Amino acid sequence: AQTVTQSQPEMSVQEAETVTLSCTYDTSESDYYLFWYKQPPSRQMILVIRQEAYKQQNATENRFSVNFQKAAKSFSLKISDSQLGDAAMYFCAYRSGDYGGATNKLIFGTGTLLAVQP
Amino acid sequence: KAGVTQTPRYLIKTRGQQVTLSCSPISGHRSVSWYQQTPGQGLQFLFEYFSETQRNKGNFPGRFSGRQFSNSRSEMNVSTLELGDSALYLCASSALGAGVLTDTQYFGPGTRLTVL
Repeated sequence: AQTVTQSQPEMSVQEAETVTLSCTYDTSESDYYLFWYKQPPSRQMILVIRQEAYKQQNATENRFSVNFQKAAKSFSLKISDSQLGDAAMYFCAYRSGDYGGATNKLIFGTGTLLAVQP
Repeated sequence: KAGVTQTPRYLIKTRGQQVTLSCSPISGHRSVSWYQQTPGQGLQFLFEYFSETQRNKGNFPGRFSGRQFSNSRSEMNVSTLELGDSALYLCASSALGAGVLTDTQYFGPGTRLTVL
């Protein structure tokens, strides 16, 4: 069974600084997808960034980028130029790939609560 | 496009009752998944529906059930409620289709269920 681990329950960053959230996962599959979702307080979960396992290039979305280390099964999220609106719970998630029948089942980590200090 | 909507947003029930939650996916999305979010257990997958068929099911007791209608709207039902069923129930939809790679899931705001 696949598992996702986020070892940092809470993180804090100064506005305009850079912060990195850690995520490791365990799987025996070769085809899969990894995601970072953001859940602001009392607001709905939104996708921050996604990474296909077969792509070696790290995904980037504006100020958000990932460091995907497939051999180490590591998938960290870097937030550059942090803003007050980045304060939220961040979840790392895993989804099996599409071979042999697709599934949308997401396996989530326990989350990292990010505080942004002005 | 309107986002994923869930009704009701808040619900208070007592132990032993049953409850039905509703989810309307984004227009054109055919896949709907349900998740339970609690402080203790985190986010756990309940089940996934595509074209009115359950494609995948999480490790929850049979008291938790769901269905999907021909318009892709989905409902989940919890019978004989227990205190531990208090949670935020999230619905997510995606444009998964036959022969098409799975797509991003978009989440609704959730239904906050409190069991007294």
